[in-house]
Amino acid sequence: DADVTQTPRNRITKTGKRIMLECSQTKGHDRMYWYRQDPGLGLRLIYYSFDVKDINKGEISDGYSVSRQAQAKFSLSLESAIPNQTALYFCATSDERGSGVGGYTFGSGTRLTVV
Amino acid sequence: KNQVEQSPQSLIILEGKNCTLQCNYTVSPFSNLRWYKQDTGRGPVSLTIMTFSENTKSNGRYTATLDADTKQSSLHITASQLSDSASYICVVSEYGGYQKVTFGTGTKLQVIP
Repeated sequence: DADVTQTPRNRITKTGKRIMLECSQTKGHDRMYWYRQDPGLGLRLIYYSFDVKDINKGEISDGYSVSRQAQAKFSLSLESAIPNQTALYFCATSDERGSGVGGYTFGSGTRLTVV
Repeated sequence: KNQVEQSPQSLIILEGKNCTLQCNYTVSPFSNLRWYKQDTGRGPVSLTIMTFSENTKSNGRYTATLDADTKQSSLHITASQLSDSASYICVVSEYGGYQKVTFGTGTKLQVIP
């Protein structure tokens, strides 16, 4: 099994629909992140969480929400999807040393298309 | 604003040839720089990490260099293989903050037979 598992792998949804992307990890890491990747742009941070009770907004959190259900689970929701949220979404984890030293472990991504 | 710029945007090389990818950054204060490899449809995977005091780091056929004075890094791939076809992303971390990580847009490398 992968260290970081994202579901679904692909999703097409209609404008205005609520959608949830799920992420689970077996790394035992406390820190989890949601990133978005668009063509021609670097990965951009949506939300991050240091533990179950700690949720923080990233640089592009508008239109998104998250839930940290357990140490191993971190889900991303789009409350009312819009076409410019069409992108590749990545969940990542890191150890207590943070992304700087320990580095990220990424999931395989969820390709979301909003029509 | 911290920036990480990579060049070229894309590159096509013949199998067995060498290539070098560039990364220039403005992140300050600097903590470290990582190169990630991202295969199509997959998440990025770390190749190397370099801190301020390191000039060169190798991982098999991948060799990264860092010039902290000029804020430049390069990733050199030796004797390329078809499996090297991927996007290579430069990621720079700012000292003192876990979340202060800036991603480059990547170089897409295609190795052809």
